[in-house]
Amino acid sequence: RKEVEQDPGPFNVPEGATVAFNCTYSNSASQSFFWYRQDCRKEPKLLMSVYSSGNEDGRFTAQLNRASQYISLLIRDSKLSDSATYLCVVSNQAGTALIFGKGTTLSVSS
Amino acid sequence: SQTIHQWPATLVQPVGSPLSLECTVEGTSNPNLYWYRQAAGRGLQLLFYSVGIGQISSEVPQNLSASRPQDRQFILSSKKLLLSDSGFYLCAWSVLSGGEDTQYFGPGTRLTVL
Repeated sequence: RKEVEQDPGPFNVPEGATVAFNCTYSNSASQSFFWYRQDCRKEPKLLMSVYSSGNEDGRFTAQLNRASQYISLLIRDSKLSDSATYLCVVSNQAGTALIFGKGTTLSVSS
Repeated sequence: SQTIHQWPATLVQPVGSPLSLECTVEGTSNPNLYWYRQAAGRGLQLLFYSVGIGQISSEVPQNLSASRPQDRQFILSSKKLLLSDSGFYLCAWSVLSGGEDTQYFGPGTRLTVL
């Protein structure tokens, strides 16, 4: 099983749509979880941390299921500016480094 | 506020030439520093991380090396570049806070080895 696995997409959705991304991770000892956003040819930027109780930031909702080792990101009311690659990120067992998924590409069209 | 700088932004080098990429962080002390590489069509691969001056941990064997001569300076080097060294090199910093170690990335250096 890959350390962090994501559906690469692309997800092509119209403006206003709701879209969900899923991610699975292999290390049950991981303690920190994040979603990063990466625009084409740019550096990744932190979108949000993911907490066990689930958390929301505006149109974005992240959830974590430790038992299933599964993380999700829900984007409501998609905007054109949401078009990017979304990286699922998990800490390693030692907590000394982050492990990145290859990303899921989202394209929002008008 | 904290900022992270990388240079150069773009680099084209011949096979066998040396490499030196620099990363500096401002606005924080004793950060953890990281070098990642993102090759075309692949995820971010952690190359090195450092928890302090002169302390370097290597995640993968390769012809690259890293050094941390100052608290907020991290350098990635190679004596002889290979074609496979082409990629997008990203430096990141983090400070453990509240049990969480969020990483923040610099703008990256896009390296093409010909």
